[in-house]
Amino acid sequence: QVQLVQSGAEVKKPGASVKVSCRASGYTFTNYDINWVRQAPGQGLEWLGWINPSSGGTNTAQKFQGRVTMTRDTSITTVYMEVSRLKSDDTAVYFCARAVRSRTYWAVDVWGQGTTVTVSS
Amino acid sequence: DIQMTQSPSSLSASVGDRVTITCRASESVSTFLNWYQQKPGKAPELLIYGASSLQSGVPLRFSGSGSGTEFTLTITTLQPEDFVSYYCHQTYNPPWTFGQGTKLEIK
Repeated sequence: QVQLVQSGAEVKKPGASVKVSCRASGYTFTNYDINWVRQAPGQGLEWLGWINPSSGGTNTAQKFQGRVTMTRDTSITTVYMEVSRLKSDDTAVYFCARAVRSRTYWAVDVWGQGTTVTVSS
Repeated sequence: DIQMTQSPSSLSASVGDRVTITCRASESVSTFLNWYQQKPGKAPELLIYGASSLQSGVPLRFSGSGSGTEFTLTITTLQPEDFVSYYCHQTYNPPWTFGQGTKLEIK
């Protein structure tokens, strides 16, 4: 079945970087963009950006440009998201999610299980 | 950025009730509007895409409507498992943005 499996929880100090992986299976990896969405404790959902696994092209929310890097390794059907210069308010659950699109919609239909990133001194 | 205003932020209802959640966009998003359900400690799940299309496997008591700037999610005949959180989500223009969420609580 279609599945996205993320790497495990991380604890980092302020100023450090974290790299989260998301391994896809059950579908053609290069046919669907992968998005990253985060959710701070008790808060709503926030979109960080997407990567096109075929071309490697990315679209990063302006708020995160320069601090968030998305990459992929097609040989192991895995995408990565790295956040640098971590701050305490980066503490959140980070989700990867597959996007499907057509002429009239663009939606996220499959989500990873989430990776908890805690930033604390 | 397109702002998504979701209301109400919380809603009390009883099993068997019919409820409606509203989402307003600060500018037109055409039909690029999706609804997600999120259970505590879990990833969101897609309910409605393209404003009104029911995702495969989602019960028929869920429905969506609207276009442009005004959208609604309606749940008829509430079941105990429906008392969780719901989010709208626009994918018309990046950055994609979400409503602040609606928590559905048992009265």
